[in-house]
Amino acid sequence: DQQVKQNSPSLSVQEGRISILNCDYTNSMFDYFLWYKKYPAEGPTFLISISSIKDKNEDGRFTVFLNKSAKHLSLHIVPSQPGDSAVYFCAASEGGGADGLTFGKGTHLIIQP
Amino acid sequence: SAVISQKPSRDICQRGTSLTIQCQVDSQVTMMFWYRQQPGQSLTLIATANQGSEATYESGFVIDKFPISRPNLTFSTLTVSNMSPEDSSIYLCSVKGVAGGPGNEQFFGPGTRLTVL
Repeated sequence: DQQVKQNSPSLSVQEGRISILNCDYTNSMFDYFLWYKKYPAEGPTFLISISSIKDKNEDGRFTVFLNKSAKHLSLHIVPSQPGDSAVYFCAASEGGGADGLTFGKGTHLIIQP
Repeated sequence: SAVISQKPSRDICQRGTSLTIQCQVDSQVTMMFWYRQQPGQSLTLIATANQGSEATYESGFVIDKFPISRPNLTFSTLTVSNMSPEDSSIYLCSVKGVAGGPGNEQFFGPGTRLTVL
């Protein structure tokens, strides 16, 4: 039973446009959410996080939105750049982030020139 | 964020043997975790490495198969015991609670790519 779902295995976006990556979760106990970016042969790199007490968090080109009632979060990247091409993982945690993370399967973002 | 290194970066091993993976952090951290990423799959938490006590394992993972040590606040090891081809994965160390850093984010090492023949 997958508790964190990323239903789009891949996404292609034109450079300069907005990239929107989606994530759904089923565990109501999750209260801390994170997005990671991963290049081949490297470990995941932390991008941005959000606590369940918020519905939006912004950091530069990256914004994460959380809809608790729908158990849905999304990552917006604007404008998209070629270096953003990577696999993006959504992750969730209980206990305000104190516990280990449950990951989705990832979305491969491809930025087209 | 902390600088996390793992050794070895990759290895090819024969079935039935064991491999110990080391994780070193350049600053003290509150928590250390071990994950694996099987081919085509997501990252799965194996266990939380507790300093000075037994690790806390997730469902489906046992100490006999994946013994873990954490002797201090900057170092941990994961051993993959009696390996089979199904153990071929990327094994990743992560840390949380970096001194002076953000509180709840986890940072990952570069991973160890293990292939079992």
